[in-house]
Amino acid sequence: AQSVTQLGSHVSVSEGALVLLRCNYSSSVPPYLFWYVQYPNQGLQLLLKYTSAATLVKGINGFEAEFKKSETSFHLTKPSAHMRDAAEYFCAVRAPGANNLFFGTGTRLTVIP
Amino acid sequence: NAGVTQTPKFQVLKTGQSMTLQCAQDMNHEYMSWYRQDPGMGLRLIHYSVGAGITDQGEVPNGYNVSRSTTEDFPLRLLSAAPSQTSVYFCASSYLGVRGGAGELFFGEGSRLTVL
Repeated sequence: AQSVTQLGSHVSVSEGALVLLRCNYSSSVPPYLFWYVQYPNQGLQLLLKYTSAATLVKGINGFEAEFKKSETSFHLTKPSAHMRDAAEYFCAVRAPGANNLFFGTGTRLTVIP
Repeated sequence: NAGVTQTPKFQVLKTGQSMTLQCAQDMNHEYMSWYRQDPGMGLRLIHYSVGAGITDQGEVPNGYNVSRSTTEDFPLRLLSAAPSQTSVYFCASSYLGVRGGAGELFFGEGSRLTVL
């Protein structure tokens, strides 16, 4: 079975500071991993995905994530936070060949001006 | 391109009432699913379908029914609403996992349901 754990339900950073949102996965096989973002009162939008092609994945809006098999992690980072990054972020996992995505509980990012 | 369309966006029900949340996609995706989002619990899978005529239960199926008569449509039915079903519901679709690739989900904008 696949699952993800997101450490920290709320993260606050100052504008211009590094953003680090943590995600650890559990999977019996090398999984596909995703980060989604949800702005207030909207649906979920894909930020980036890991498909085993490269361990460092670049996404939209300056975000990137690194797949570390030894740590079973897929943390999301952005060098410099912007006010528009304030949103809720979800990590998700899917086994190769499977259909269902399983989501973490989410991390709400607040950016302080 | 409309993507995934959900209706209604907002609904208030009384306990015991029934209703249907509509979902349609125009991307010819075989896989469709319904999630509910509750504070602190992330998104939990209610039901899913891998093609017309095929549906299956997810993590939290109790109190919900689905059907898939066409590739495009995947309605979610609440037969007798309960306050515990107050939530935000998301429909999502993708290509089947057996096609290869990551198969990311495409989401609708959500339906906010309140059961009094």
